[in-house]
Amino acid sequence: NAGVTQTPKFQVLKTGQSMTLQCAQDMNHEYMSWYRQDPGMGLRLIHYSVGAGITDQGEVPNGYNVSRSTTEDFPLRLLSAAPSQTSVYFCASSYSNWPGGYTFGSGTRLTVV
Amino acid sequence: KNEVEQSPQNLTAQEGEFITINCSYSVGISALHWLQQHPGGGIVSLFMLSSGKKKHGRLIATINIQEKHSSLHITASHPRDSAVYICAVSPNFGNEKLTFGTGTRLTIIP
Repeated sequence: NAGVTQTPKFQVLKTGQSMTLQCAQDMNHEYMSWYRQDPGMGLRLIHYSVGAGITDQGEVPNGYNVSRSTTEDFPLRLLSAAPSQTSVYFCASSYSNWPGGYTFGSGTRLTVV
Repeated sequence: KNEVEQSPQNLTAQEGEFITINCSYSVGISALHWLQQHPGGGIVSLFMLSSGKKKHGRLIATINIQEKHSSLHITASHPRDSAVYICAVSPNFGNEKLTFGTGTRLTIIP
């Protein structure tokens, strides 16, 4: 099993550009979520999904969109990149049933210039 | 005040020492997670616990629900244990998202 696959691993964007960070899991996990990691702040929740067709906002959703058309995929879209979105992004997935341990992707390092 | 607080923020120890990292939380939870992140690397789940104690190799995690406190212990520490250790909690009655502490950077000197 591949687990949680994130692409790309690195990306440089210019301010105002758009892009999609891809996240796919092959474990049939119901729950998927996106986090950003900034120095000194820990990981913060951007958006999450409890199943196909269902998404909700987290702590820092502004500037990001998500959709969940299938159980496997949960892409994160930056509509108009800003320097404040420079960060490392992690996708994670888990089962809804107990015990619901988490599996994380390897991360995407995004720089907006 | 953050919902999840870790201490210490940084810890440097000699190889072989017993290590303790602490985590306190202020909200109701369904589970507490301990995660490991190596420099430039991804995040690996070490433990998920809702009560008592778990052990895996040289790592031990404990939780006290009444005191809202958890500890991660490393016995016979080794330089390969050098990493950032992160505490995170799942909300009450759910596991759909996590709230994280800011992490403890552990450095083990040979």
